[in-house]
Amino acid sequence: DGGITQSPKYLFRKEGQNVTLSCEQNLNHDAMYWYRQDPGQGLRLIYYSQIVNDFQKGDIAEGYSVSREKKESFPLTVTSAQKNPTAFYLCASNNGGSWDTQYFGPGTRLTVL
Amino acid sequence: KQEVTQIPAALSVPEGENLVLNCSFTDSAIYNLQWFRQDPGKGLTSLLLIQSSQREQTSGRLNASLDKSSGRSTLYIAASQPGDSATYLCAVTNNAGNMLTFGGGTRLMVKP
Repeated sequence: DGGITQSPKYLFRKEGQNVTLSCEQNLNHDAMYWYRQDPGQGLRLIYYSQIVNDFQKGDIAEGYSVSREKKESFPLTVTSAQKNPTAFYLCASNNGGSWDTQYFGPGTRLTVL
Repeated sequence: KQEVTQIPAALSVPEGENLVLNCSFTDSAIYNLQWFRQDPGKGLTSLLLIQSSQREQTSGRLNASLDKSSGRSTLYIAASQPGDSATYLCAVTNNAGNMLTFGGGTRLMVKP
């Protein structure tokens, strides 16, 4: 079964704690992306990676960090510096070209208590 | 900076009606435009992708048009069904091909 998996589906954390969201793909895609979605709003790009061991900031990278040590994995850490972390987080991947649509995972809903 | 706007934000129609969703963008220097569907609490599914050199794309009951010079796209849904109820998002890819900018979405409800 090919696709993108995100875990966990729901995540709760206390204010001031770092938390890491998982994203794994078995589509052999070069590029991976992290987006944040707030209620009633579109998606905003946090970070993206077009190749292993390289990643770029998106529009709202402050308070987040990523790594890309393996082609199939692109974990996102929400740090305590992120002022408003409660949101729905979506991971996506594609072959890295604009001709290819992005394929999305099911998302992780993070709630900060 | 690219901005994408979708109107209306929400729409409710009776089953069987034809409908049009609108998307506008401020910077016409795009590589392509996509329409996505999102069910509540789920990820996005790509519906149609229109390259900047194209005027429209069709898939089943869906037809998307693109007028790049005026910064507009429409998604036409024919003979709507309750199963079409979802949020529809449009997104444009920048000319470098590495970033998508999304609109806020249109939440569609089709009543039986």
